[in-house]
Amino acid sequence: QVQLVESGGGVVQPGRSLRLSCAASGFTFSSYGMHWVRQAPGKGLEWVAVIWYDGSNKYYADSVKGRFTISRDNSKNTLYLQMNSLRVEDTAVYYCARDPTRMATILYYFDYWGQGTLVTVSS
Amino acid sequence: DIQMTQSPSSLSASVGDRVTITCRASQTISSYLNWYQQKPGKAPKLLIYAASSLQSGVPSRFSGSGSGTDFTLTISSLQPEDFATYYCQQSYSTPGGITFGPGTKVDIK
Repeated sequence: QVQLVESGGGVVQPGRSLRLSCAASGFTFSSYGMHWVRQAPGKGLEWVAVIWYDGSNKYYADSVKGRFTISRDNSKNTLYLQMNSLRVEDTAVYYCARDPTRMATILYYFDYWGQGTLVTVSS
Repeated sequence: DIQMTQSPSSLSASVGDRVTITCRASQTISSYLNWYQQKPGKAPKLLIYAASSLQSGVPSRFSGSGSGTDFTLTISSLQPEDFATYYCQQSYSTPGGITFGPGTKVDIK
């Protein structure tokens, strides 16, 4: 069965960096686009970034553009989110999520989600 | 960005009730509308994609309809496991403008 397991969250000071990982299993990871979606405590969902199945294209929400970098290692079945210049407003649970299409145009919805990892940005 | 609104923001209902949640987009999004269910402390779960297509494994009591700017999620007979928060999400404004609605919390009357 499809499994996505995030890790790397924690408490970090404003301005510092953190890298999240998402380990995928149960499907051919290298064939699917992948996303990061976040949820601030008690708030709604916010899409963060997407990466094509082969890493050829990456797009970001305006709120993180220039600070966050999405990447993947298909040999390790792992998705990453490098977060630099963190702000208090980046505090959230970060979910990795799978796009439903295989090796085709990204559909920008999410058929499988990980359990999330909490990032707290605080001094 | 396309703004998504949902109504009501919360509702109380009983087991067996028919429940309807509305989602409205600030501009036309064709049928690029998806619905998710989220329970406390858990990840969201995809229920409906492309406005009216039922995701595999989702009970048939869930249905979606609409196109353009106005959409609905209907639960035909509410079950105990359906008490949760429901979010709509537009996948029209790509690549970087994906947005979610603010959510509708369904709790027990």
